[in-house]
Amino acid sequence: QLQLQESGPGQVKPSETLSLTCTVSGGSISSSSYYWGWIRQPPGKGLEWIGSISYRGGTFYNPSLKSRATISVDTSKKQFSLKVSSVTAADTALYYCAREASEGNFFDQWGQGTLVTVSS
Amino acid sequence: DIQMTQSPSSVSASVGDRVTISCRASQGISTWLAWYQQKPGKAPKLLIYAASSLQSGVPARFSGSGSGTDFTLTISSLQPEDFATYYCQQTNSLITFGQGTRLEIK
Repeated sequence: QLQLQESGPGQVKPSETLSLTCTVSGGSISSSSYYWGWIRQPPGKGLEWIGSISYRGGTFYNPSLKSRATISVDTSKKQFSLKVSSVTAADTALYYCAREASEGNFFDQWGQGTLVTVSS
Repeated sequence: DIQMTQSPSSVSASVGDRVTISCRASQGISTWLAWYQQKPGKAPKLLIYAASSLQSGVPARFSGSGSGTDFTLTISSLQPEDFATYYCQQTNSLITFGQGTRLEIK
């Protein structure tokens, strides 16, 4: 059974770069049937898509992050990663990684999420 | 950007009730729409994709309908485990989510 697990620091200082990794287990990351995405949820608020990547490295991003987000993939480690630069308190959120169907672009498997707080 | 607007923002209902949640897109999205259920402290769970296709393992009391700009999620007979927050998601042009609908116990 496919599982996704986020990892990374729980606290980041303002103006620094947030870095998270998602490790995929129980299945392949190298499938053309799926993309791999990041979604975040500020405390008490709704869901915001950050971006997605294919196993070949093709990326799609939410324009609202104004190019601060970068997603990469390492198929040898079965991992994909997120970096968000120049963070502010508004980037404080629960960050989820998820598997995205390439046909339809819905998220059918999710990690448990990791809380990242931006604070000095 | 395509904006997704859900209504109502919250709804109270009883076990056994039929509940309908609406989602409207700011422009036509064909049937590129999914619905998710999220319980407190948990990741969202996919319920419906392609507007009306039931995800494997999801109870048949959940159904989706609509195309173009107007969509509906219906729960035919509420069960205790259905009290949660529901989100729609458009995938016609990049990805955006609705603001969520909180389904509470009356």
